Amino acid sequence: NAGVTQTPKFRILKIGQSMTLQCAQDMNHNYMYWYRQDPGMGLKLIYYSVGAGITDKGEVPNGYNVSRSTTEDFPLRLELAAPSQTSVYFCASSWDGDSGQPQHFGDGTRLSIL
Amino acid sequence: AQSVTQLDSQVPVFEEAPVELRCNYSSSVSVYLFWYVQYPNQGLQLLLKYLSGSTLVKGINGFEAEFNKSQTSFHLRKPSVHISDTAEYFCAVSRGSNYQLIWGAGTKLIIKP
Repeated sequence: NAGVTQTPKFRILKIGQSMTLQCAQDMNHNYMYWYRQDPGMGLKLIYYSVGAGITDKGEVPNGYNVSRSTTEDFPLRLELAAPSQTSVYFCASSWDGDSGQPQHFGDGTRLSIL
Repeated sequence: AQSVTQLDSQVPVFEEAPVELRCNYSSSVSVYLFWYVQYPNQGLQLLLKYLSGSTLVKGINGFEAEFNKSQTSFHLRKPSVHISDTAEYFCAVSRGSNYQLIWGAGTKLIIKP
């Protein structure tokens, strides 16, 4: 059982480049999330989705875009990479938005912008 | 606004000793409380949660936490740690929805042999 799969695991980008972080889940979860994790700080929510075709901004959405064309996939797009976007990115999913439901996390993508 | 404070960024402890990881939150309304664990180079996984009812919550791997409403705390404890408990532990608070989780900065548990 794969759970939440993130690719790539590591990536180095140059300033101004663009890339897409992939996230897929095989648990038929409705809710999906993208977080960034910076050293010494808690997770910050970038975007979330409550179902296919529906996305909404989280706490730190600037510089990112998302789409949710299927239940399984929730890619995160960086259009013009900036050094401030150097971080570890986690994708997560849950059955619904009720806090009683745990979030299931991928192993993360470590992104460096140079 | 809600906030979550994990009072220690690192907690070193000898193997088989007890440990307490502290978490305080600020909120004037009822909240749900969580502890997640992140093992090296992995994603986070749920350790335990408090939604309502008994204030002592038991989780996986022998961990437990106690909700103290008057002190707005949700400290995590384990009576005897093992080297496999080496990880970073995150406290999180929500008022009702998963996309409203507020995360603490994390506490690294360092087990000394």
